[in-house]
Amino acid sequence: KAGVTQTPRYLIKTRGQQVTLSCSPISGHRSVSWYQQTPGQGLQFLFEYFSETQRNKGNFPGRFSGRQFSNSRSEMNVSTLELGDSALYLCASSAEGGVASPLHFGNGTRLTVT
Amino acid sequence: GESVGLHLPTLSVQEGDNSIINCAYSNSASDYFIWYKQESGKGPQFIIDIRSNMDKRQGQRVTVLLNKTVKHLSLQIAATQPGDSAVYFCVPEDNYGQNFVFGPGTRLSVLP
Repeated sequence: KAGVTQTPRYLIKTRGQQVTLSCSPISGHRSVSWYQQTPGQGLQFLFEYFSETQRNKGNFPGRFSGRQFSNSRSEMNVSTLELGDSALYLCASSAEGGVASPLHFGNGTRLTVT
Repeated sequence: GESVGLHLPTLSVQEGDNSIINCAYSNSASDYFIWYKQESGKGPQFIIDIRSNMDKRQGQRVTVLLNKTVKHLSLQIAATQPGDSAVYFCVPEDNYGQNFVFGPGTRLSVLP
């Protein structure tokens, strides 16, 4: 089975712009989660989607949003980018979603905001 | 205010030695635990998991021990290799609730 695929791999944006990141989960996985990873804060949970519905949400401002399509592919969007949004954004999928099911991560999108 | 970097516990071991990475958890109700390995430039990779009805589970070169009495886990890596150099995270099941919280992890460095 192909792993979790994230595109693009690298992205450079300017403050105030918006960005959309894409994630294709492992075939058959219906849950997709997004995480932000920075040296200062570590791995922080953004949100989780299951069957096209946002099921869990972390403590991030409304500028961060996401969605999931009927084929389980997911996108996350960040509007009005700030310098502090520079981070590695990781997507993970799991078969059941949440409890008692390992997450399978992609290699992330490295976003740099200048 | 000033941004402070995340304090990451580190462990340095000689190639060929065994490594032991420790993890403490706080919720006594946790009943499922997962270890992840994150290499530089990659996403975290699932290594092994264990449920609370077990106190030991073995994989290929890795063993996880669970002590529920003191709420402690350890990941043992046998004959540590350079490719084992990474950050290791343990994630208790309750962290798969509303916040999916990963701790800071432990950085393992393998010395030649």
